[in-house]
Amino acid sequence: LAKTTQPISMDSYEGQEVNITCSHNNIATNDYITWYQQFPSQGPRFIIQGYKTKVTNEVASLFIPADRKSSTLSLPRVSLSDTAVYYCLVGDVDSNYQLIWGAGTKLIIKP
Amino acid sequence: EPEVTQTPSHQVTQMGQEVILRCVPISNHLYFYWYRQILGQKVEFLVSFYNNEISEKSEIFDDQFSVERPDGSNFTLKIRSTKLEDSAMYFCASRGEGVRGHGEPQHFGDGTRLSIL
Repeated sequence: LAKTTQPISMDSYEGQEVNITCSHNNIATNDYITWYQQFPSQGPRFIIQGYKTKVTNEVASLFIPADRKSSTLSLPRVSLSDTAVYYCLVGDVDSNYQLIWGAGTKLIIKP
Repeated sequence: EPEVTQTPSHQVTQMGQEVILRCVPISNHLYFYWYRQILGQKVEFLVSFYNNEISEKSEIFDDQFSVERPDGSNFTLKIRSTKLEDSAMYFCASRGEGVRGHGEPQHFGDGTRLSIL
């Protein structure tokens, strides 16, 4: 099962772009990279998922280099409500997509 | 947007009692999961369920735990004889069928807070 490493915490300011990088050196060929957001006392909320290169949706972009050993979640123009814990996960297809969670990155957005 | 719903939101139970946590996955999803998160700690995988049987389970998911899909919509987690250390948030998740079974993200409910006294 691939393990991920990401910063424990980050601070930024409203209106800024925030980039959170995650390393997953042991990612397997068929694994997908998925990012979740979690607010206190709520369930993780799916943000974005990708396999390679770049993926963009209405809330974020995900950049994955060719070797896939890392990925970067980019949040454009953050607001106070983006303060949350962000998790980078690698999907293990052989384990029926069991998700192995790390500690995540606690992102604090300041006014 | 379809959601995973969990009930109750908070369950308080005496140690040694049985509890059943309920989940209604997204209607066309085929893969179901339970996770737990002890306060201040990481989310931990418990069990995955597909085609009416357990696909994977973690070391946490011992004989005290069981899962069931009693009808076409509900997915339940039962803890037979609760212990103090079972106090945690329990999250249900579901996902649809992607190409070769992967590529689809898991979607989570907002959890049941289980408090064992």
